[in-house]
Amino acid sequence: KQEVTQIPAALSVPEGENLVLNCSFTDSAIYNLQWFRQDPGKGLTSLLLIQSSQREQTSGRLNASLDKSSGRSTLYIAASQPGDSATYLCAVNDNAGNMLTFGGGTRLMVKP
Amino acid sequence: EADIYQTPRYLVIGTGKKITLECSQTMGHDKMYWYQQDPGMELHLIHYSYGVNSTEKGDLSSESTVSRIRTEHFPLTLESARPSHTSQYLCASSPDRFYGYTFGSGTRLTVV
Repeated sequence: KQEVTQIPAALSVPEGENLVLNCSFTDSAIYNLQWFRQDPGKGLTSLLLIQSSQREQTSGRLNASLDKSSGRSTLYIAASQPGDSATYLCAVNDNAGNMLTFGGGTRLMVKP
Repeated sequence: EADIYQTPRYLVIGTGKKITLECSQTMGHDKMYWYQQDPGMELHLIHYSYGVNSTEKGDLSSESTVSRIRTEHFPLTLESARPSHTSQYLCASSPDRFYGYTFGSGTRLTVV
């Protein structure tokens, strides 16, 4: 059974720092991987989707990489802003099924 | 903007009441999902549907039921709500896993 782990669980940084959020998964036979953002008490907003054949995807200040063989993905946030404060979730879509397995998330706080 | 809508946004009800959480999408997606998320905890799949008249239970056992009579609607029903059902319920849809998943804003349910 696929297991997804996100490290760190919480992160507090001053505004302007570049930061990296980590996601690891136990079964490398994935179809794709999706990063989401969740604000407190709200739904999920999709940030980036990486197919298993891709190495990275970029959107604005966000860059997500995928190393399928080692079971890892990273989300890089450049020049962090207070508005980036949220929980970031990594979700894996396995080859075998058609549903997402989520990590526990990283709670990010960016201080002005 | 997400084209998947959940109502109500918040709901407080008494024990023993029957409730239906609504989820609608205007994107014509065949695949729809219900996830449950306790505060500060991971998302767990409770129901999914691959199309009209198709419903399946997810990984997390739930006393709720779902129906899929129309492509755009995927309501979730609790016949007799209990305090243990207090949680956030998130609906998602996808045309195909290649394109990733879109989530609604969620329904925060409190049973007193």
